[in-house]
This record gives sequence, structure tokens and C-alpha cells, in this order.
Amino acid sequence: ETGVTQSPTHLIKTRGQQVTLRCSSQSGHNTVSWYQQALGQGPQFIFQYYREEENGRGNFPPRFSGLQFPNYSSELNVNALELDDSALYLCASSLSPSLGTEAFFGQGTRLTVV
Amino acid sequence: GQQVMQIPQYQHVQEGEDFTTYCNSSTTLSNIQWYKQRPGGHPVFLIQLVKSGEVKKQKRLTFQFGEAKKNSSLHITATQTTDVGTYFCAGFNNAGNMLTFGGGTRLMVKP
Repeated sequence: ETGVTQSPTHLIKTRGQQVTLRCSSQSGHNTVSWYQQALGQGPQFIFQYYREEENGRGNFPPRFSGLQFPNYSSELNVNALELDDSALYLCASSLSPSLGTEAFFGQGTRLTVV
Repeated sequence: GQQVMQIPQYQHVQEGEDFTTYCNSSTTLSNIQWYKQRPGGHPVFLIQLVKSGEVKKQKRLTFQFGEAKKNSSLHITATQTTDVGTYFCAGFNNAGNMLTFGGGTRLMVKP
């Protein structure tokens, strides 16, 4: 196991609601990245946090937002949920944001929007 | 933006047969990483390639990085049922803060 834990493991929400997903990074890791993985597709980069600041963002709308805390754990918030937001949300922690650092993934949160 | 494509999307093999998945990027990559995701699981890091033309081996797995650093391949010799899963390649953008994954190749192995 990687030491990266995500909660909850599964979640069902109604369209228009808001959701918060949580991630505890591996000990010693100061960088957390979030990914959305739709069924049968590769993970899509949402954003990265490094030392509590956003350090890069993929092609996701502003209703996807995040936080990183002083202990380097992180949250992903999604407002105004849409049906297409149904996916596996993966958190990955790494030692640093430097190029080529290995990412350690959590087991993911399966979000279903109905 | 950067796009990473993989082929094939699916591959069924008989146990003992070889398997290869190919990865192509629309832009030159600084480096490339490979991950394996078991059914119902999360991606697990396999390896990173950095140098043009680099070849790395892990037991029955051979990874190659193209000379132009725009393509890569993963070859598995004599597949086993434990190799089942989806294999993803992923490349970093120039800033090194965004990992772009390919669509993956799902490998199924018949015993």
C-alpha cells in the first residue's frame, strides 16, 4: 500500500449539490495532485497543490476547487455537481513537485451523481 | 495542449504470449512514466524513462523511450495472469507540474 488514503471510498450525490473529497498524503510528501478518471479512460489532471498553494491546473472549470493544509493533506471540492462529474477521483502525493517525481496514488473516491 | 495516445485500447492474449503497448505524444516529453492499474484498483508506478532512446527492464517487462522523446513502449514477455490490468503511460508538461495520461491499454490474459 502507498500510505495515501482517501475518504470517502464511495459517494452518491444529486445533481446541483456540492461535494468535498479528502486525501491524506504519504508521510514526508508535500505535493498532492488530484485526478478525475471516468470509466474506461485514463486519469485526467485536475490540479496540484504544493505547500498549500495551487501549483498547476488542468482543463477543469472553477467549480472544481481545492485546498491543502499545513499537514499536506488536501481536499477537492466540486460545486453544482453535474451528471458528467460521476467518476473515480484519485489523489496522488509525491515528495516534491519537481519534474519526474513518482506519484503515489490513493485508492480513490467513486462519486456517482444522480 | 499536450495529448498522449495509447494503442491498442484492449488486448487479449493467451498466457505465455507476449504483449506490447505503444504510447505517442503530440509534443516532445521531458520524461515518461508508466503505471499499472489492476481492475478496481488505483494506478501504481512502474518506471520512469528520461533519456532519449532509453531502455529499461524489470524482469519480464521492457520499457523503451523513443529517440525523439515523443513515443514509448512497454513489452511484456511470456504474459502471466498476474499481468492483467490496464497499463498507462504518462508524460509531464514542461513545467513539470502536470502529468498527462494516455487512455491506457487493457490487458486480459487467458489461462
